[in-house]
Amino acid sequence: GAVVSQHPSRVICKSGTSVKIECRSLDFQATTMFWYRQFPKQSLMLMATSNEGSKATYEQGVEKDKFLINHASLTLSTLTVTSAHPEDSSFYICSARVDSRAETQYFGPGTRLLVL
Amino acid sequence: QKEVEQDPGPLSVPEGAIVSLNCTYSNSAFQYFMWYRQYSRKGPELLMYTYSSGNKEDGRFTAQVDKSSKYISLFIRDSQPSDSATYLCAAVTGTASKLTFGTGTRLQVTL
Repeated sequence: GAVVSQHPSRVICKSGTSVKIECRSLDFQATTMFWYRQFPKQSLMLMATSNEGSKATYEQGVEKDKFLINHASLTLSTLTVTSAHPEDSSFYICSARVDSRAETQYFGPGTRLLVL
Repeated sequence: QKEVEQDPGPLSVPEGAIVSLNCTYSNSAFQYFMWYRQYSRKGPELLMYTYSSGNKEDGRFTAQVDKSSKYISLFIRDSQPSDSATYLCAAVTGTASKLTFGTGTRLQVTL
């Protein structure tokens, strides 16, 4: 089956620093990748949709200058949390879509970010 | 009002019980529905998806959609401790559209 990996699985950083999270589709090419954030006991909230070679589309309320997304290849998308603050502490999950069908969207294992 | 509503639980059942998980939605434009299972600190895993009203069965799992009442359900037969997880329903307006998730229901299957 389609596998999506994320790195790192968890990261602890100091307030004010930047953190980069990688999302890779291991056995398929993904023209579209998604980034979600999930707070404890809450659902996944879509942050942005990323298409290879073009700028990401951010959801309303998500600061594009704070959450930088780069989709440089068909198998790699990165999310950089710039100048992280404690309120950015959350579980960040990426997903990649094999084709245009919603059911072909596969999720990564998530990255737990803790900002001190 | 959230577009997809789901009781967060937790729901605790004994091993072997039939589990019923439910969601309601408000957006009439939703056409496709999914159920995901998410283990603690892991990404969601697709269990089932359906495009139409009615039932769809896959092993111990049955997904049910009633578009007239905007109600979707997931039934788990012969529940196992390994089924203990959070179950998320999701809906999309079109097959290439973004997923809108419910809050998830935490299920605990006890021995």
